[in-house]
Amino acid sequence: ETGVTQTPRHLVMGMTNKKSLKCEQHLGHNAMYWYKQSAKKPLELMFVYSLEERVENNSVPSRFSPECPNSSHLFLHLHTLQPEDSALYLCASSQGPGGAGANVLTFGAGSRLTVL
Amino acid sequence: GQSLEQPSEVTAVEGAIVQINCTYQTSGFYGLSWYQQHDGGAPTFLSYNALDGLEETGRFSSFLSRSDSYGYLLLQELQMKDSASYFCAVGYNFNKFYFGSGTKLNVKP
Repeated sequence: ETGVTQTPRHLVMGMTNKKSLKCEQHLGHNAMYWYKQSAKKPLELMFVYSLEERVENNSVPSRFSPECPNSSHLFLHLHTLQPEDSALYLCASSQGPGGAGANVLTFGAGSRLTVL
Repeated sequence: GQSLEQPSEVTAVEGAIVQINCTYQTSGFYGLSWYQQHDGGAPTFLSYNALDGLEETGRFSSFLSRSDSYGYLLLQELQMKDSASYFCAVGYNFNKFYFGSGTKLNVKP
């Protein structure tokens, strides 16, 4: 399998549930990202991992917890979410700084999250 | 902070040329990128401008003017499959990319 794969594609959860989103990239990239996409709003950068170190946490509430166990996998752990957290969560990857593709993000298809 | 402004929606006919503008209020970025996203799909990379001027990639061209805080995506010979949302984005140090709110392009027969 190639590209960036996200699972699950759709998730419905209650405010007291704990769930995780998974992202896997098969491109040999060493930077991975979580973005939140809500209707009529810019893609919001949430987290950036470069060489498995978190280099950006863009004022994201602690109910979102990222994990990057290796350069191919990225998780977003979710707990006690609010209805306003309902959105499309997009994972992306790129080559790290200095790489020829460092300015190109490859996105997954996203995980559509609904919080009841 | 980063602020990138795009028109929310543009309509054009098949075969025409359309320009999608992106104005920004930020500085210190490495370059301006453009992405296409079809409904229900993932954003896909189209074009990148590190330097001022025009970059051409087939039917798509992108332009950047740092002195005018402005860029645009030019789509020529429009096809129905070009109906999608288009996002501009700026890239900074440490792999940080910030996006505009997107322009929905409707191509009509």
